Amino acid sequence: AQSVSQHNHHVILSEAASLELGCNYSYGGTVNLFWYVQYPGQHLQLLLKYFSGDPLVKGIKGFEAEFIKSKFSFNLRKPSVQWSDTAEYFCAVITNQGGKLIFGQGTELSVKP
Amino acid sequence: EPEVTQTPSHQVTQMGQEVILRCVPISNHLYFYWYRQILGQKVEFLVSFYNNEISEKSEIFDDQFSVERPDGSNFTLKIRSTKLEDSAMYFCASSENGGRQPQHFGDGTRLSIL
Repeated sequence: AQSVSQHNHHVILSEAASLELGCNYSYGGTVNLFWYVQYPGQHLQLLLKYFSGDPLVKGIKGFEAEFIKSKFSFNLRKPSVQWSDTAEYFCAVITNQGGKLIFGQGTELSVKP
Repeated sequence: EPEVTQTPSHQVTQMGQEVILRCVPISNHLYFYWYRQILGQKVEFLVSFYNNEISEKSEIFDDQFSVERPDGSNFTLKIRSTKLEDSAMYFCASSENGGRQPQHFGDGTRLSIL
């Protein structure tokens, strides 16, 4: 069965530190990949997406992610985090045309000022 | 920016009662979805809906669940006879074009079964 795993359950960083959140998926075919963010008390918002083309994708708020097909990975990065990045981050994949999202378990990011 | 709206934000219901969760997707979107997240667990897919019919459903979406698009704007999830284990956050989402476009999520309805 298709699945998504996120390596870290809770990450704590200081402001200005660099961030990398791991995401791996299990599916041998074509995938569309997403990172969503959920700020406290808010809905899931799209950070970035990969459908095809350049495997390095840039999203909102300075985030980027790299799709490495050979490793079935789609890690999220940000060179310098801010306190306002404190949120829960979800990696997700779509494997079919109908668009069912398969989510990872989420990573809670806490940024200390 | 257009938003997906969900009502109510919190629903408390006695076990065995019927509950209807409501969603208004973004107006030009054609694909609609329900997901749920039990506290401390992953966000799980329940059902997708396109062209006035269910296009895919998960194992969770058994006979107790149903979805409907009663008019041009609302998309509802009904749970016929709620169980304690139905307590979760329920998210509605919509997209323009299925897997080829990102999904936009509502704020969710927190369902608490007593």
